[in-house]
Amino acid sequence: DVKVTQSSRYLVKRTGEKVFLECVQDMDHENMFWYRQDPGLGLRLIYFSYDVKMKEKGDIPEGYSVSREKKERFSLILESASTNQTSMYLCASSFSLAGGTGELFFGEGSRLTVL
Amino acid sequence: SQQGEEDPQALSIQEGENATMNCSYKTSINNLQWYRQNSGRGLVHLILIRSNEREKHSGRLRVTLDTSKKSSSLLITASRAADTASYFCATDLLGGKLQFGAGTQVVVTP
Repeated sequence: DVKVTQSSRYLVKRTGEKVFLECVQDMDHENMFWYRQDPGLGLRLIYFSYDVKMKEKGDIPEGYSVSREKKERFSLILESASTNQTSMYLCASSFSLAGGTGELFFGEGSRLTVL
Repeated sequence: SQQGEEDPQALSIQEGENATMNCSYKTSINNLQWYRQNSGRGLVHLILIRSNEREKHSGRLRVTLDTSKKSSSLLITASRAADTASYFCATDLLGGKLQFGAGTQVVVTP
């Protein structure tokens, strides 16, 4: 079975701290994604990556950065956490289809609280 | 702004009934996907329908796609209590982004 593992299920951080959210997939997927999920807003795309060392901005990249040094690992970084970044963060990976994106495999999520 | 929007926002039905939810989107797509999320968990892929397909089945699930109306529907037949979850549509946009709607919360009571 495909497994997408997020390093922490629950984190509590203070305003201004640097936060790292790690995600590892074991299926050799080209594509990896970071979303945040907030009640009533669904999932919003923060960043995605189609290859090692490659990244693309999603719909809400402000306040976030990412790193993909190895194919299996995609990290989300909050340089200076703020209270409005309190959210559930979901990592996902997929193969590419001819002409599109294949099904996403999601991790269990990391619930971040910024105090 | 969100690409896909599900309707209704919430749905409450009894076991054995069918559940139908709809998704509308705004721009051209490569494919459309449906996902399920149990409370507090990650999303699980249900079905993918390509832009040149009109209908697809998987077990008790039936998905339709009307690209002229930019809409899709998900039908769950003979629902069970275990179908209680949130359901999301996701549109694979030309250019590679996969965007999700806000979801439909489905509650199936025994």
